[in-house]
Amino acid sequence: GAGVSQSPRYKVTKRGQDVALRCDPISGHVSLYWYRQALGQGPEFLTYFNYEAQQDKSGLPNDRFSAERPEGSISTLTIQRTEQRDSAMYRCASSSGGVSYNEQFFGPGTRLTVL
Amino acid sequence: DAKTTQPPSMDCAEGRAANLPCNHSTISGNEYVYWYRQIHSQGPQYIIHGLKNNETNEMASLIITEDRKSSTLILPHATLRDTAVYYCIVRVAGTDSWGKLQFGAGTQVVVTP
Repeated sequence: GAGVSQSPRYKVTKRGQDVALRCDPISGHVSLYWYRQALGQGPEFLTYFNYEAQQDKSGLPNDRFSAERPEGSISTLTIQRTEQRDSAMYRCASSSGGVSYNEQFFGPGTRLTVL
Repeated sequence: DAKTTQPPSMDCAEGRAANLPCNHSTISGNEYVYWYRQIHSQGPQYIIHGLKNNETNEMASLIITEDRKSSTLILPHATLRDTAVYYCIVRVAGTDSWGKLQFGAGTQVVVTP
């Protein structure tokens, strides 16, 4: 079956522009997560949703970053007024939900470059 | 959440067992130990998890010490495709923080022919 998909795979933008990154989770998965990964480092948690409810946004670095999942399926991570330090790989993951066991399946990521 | 300590790198010969240590000396009673790996530029991949008992699946075995302060991931017969960064993560169950995975730097494992 289809895994997690993300688009675009690569995004180059100029400083100050807004970008929207899309994540399409595995069908039926309740939970959706966003991570950011700098080169040579492990992924860093940004935010996650159960259905359409944003449960934890403690990892969003500042108010230029926002995420939504209005219908409990596809999610969009938006970065306003991008800065060069926002350049990174942005990864989305989804899981089936539940309390005791929650394997996360990761997508291929979106490589964002801010010039 | 408790933090983990892993060696930055290790080598392993193809066909041999790879034993990856992880220290989590401040782990709490409701925290699970999870292992993920990341091959080259791909997304992280789940390997195994456990609470206090040893666990085994088709990919690996997880040995957790009785005091739960450390664990070892065992890849029984390493292949070249097991070359990856391996992350040991502790994770609280049953709270709003359940969702997040807190990755550290991990261990870069290189399997050589």
